Amino acid sequence: DTGVSQDPRHKITKRGQNVTFRCDPISEHNRLYWYRQTLGQGPEFLTYFQNEAQLEKSRLLSDRFSAERPKGSFSTLEIQRTEQGDSAMYLCASSLQRGGTDTQYFGPGTRLTVL
Amino acid sequence: QKEVEQNSGPLSVPEGAIASLNCTYSDRVSQSFFWYRQYSGKSPELIMSIYSNGDKEDGRFTAQLNKASQYVSLLIRDSQPSDSATYLCAVNRWEDTGTASKLTFGTGTRLQVTL
Repeated sequence: DTGVSQDPRHKITKRGQNVTFRCDPISEHNRLYWYRQTLGQGPEFLTYFQNEAQLEKSRLLSDRFSAERPKGSFSTLEIQRTEQGDSAMYLCASSLQRGGTDTQYFGPGTRLTVL
Repeated sequence: QKEVEQNSGPLSVPEGAIASLNCTYSDRVSQSFFWYRQYSGKSPELIMSIYSNGDKEDGRFTAQLNKASQYVSLLIRDSQPSDSATYLCAVNRWEDTGTASKLTFGTGTRLQVTL
């Protein structure tokens, strides 16, 4: 069990540029979540997948954000036309959903800075 | 009212003492409760999960859940300087699918263990 991995760990970009982040979940996990965390706040839900299906997307998520999990394994999160308000830590978590429980394990995160 | 509320702290306890961290939640259909530890600049690390009323112990950590009062707490016995971190309370609820999914986090309580 190698844990959840994320790439890159840090990204600095200029306003208006597009960025893409990758998450590789724990291998047998069927669910994958994306959260965003800003300083002094708890993580905020963005979206999640069960296998390759995107089951929920936060109402707070701008149309500039899109996520995919094409083969039910790794996932990508793309932010188009970045804004300074997008600066945050983007966290990926995975879980093996069975029965009613869903224990999520987080990756190291990708810290995005938009200049 | 926030869905999950925590005192932001800092909570300062001397080394060897018991640290008591508290969390209240507003959604009565919340089913699963988690405590995560987050060191500065790092991602959340799962410490404990609890699903039923009562106490659950794991080493120096004890989680307590009272669904009638919508209250969950974490006790850390024999606190060590390495326990100094932000502790995040998270809850998830049954969705229409009959399973639990996204986590809702509090803002976290910063714990400082002093020598």
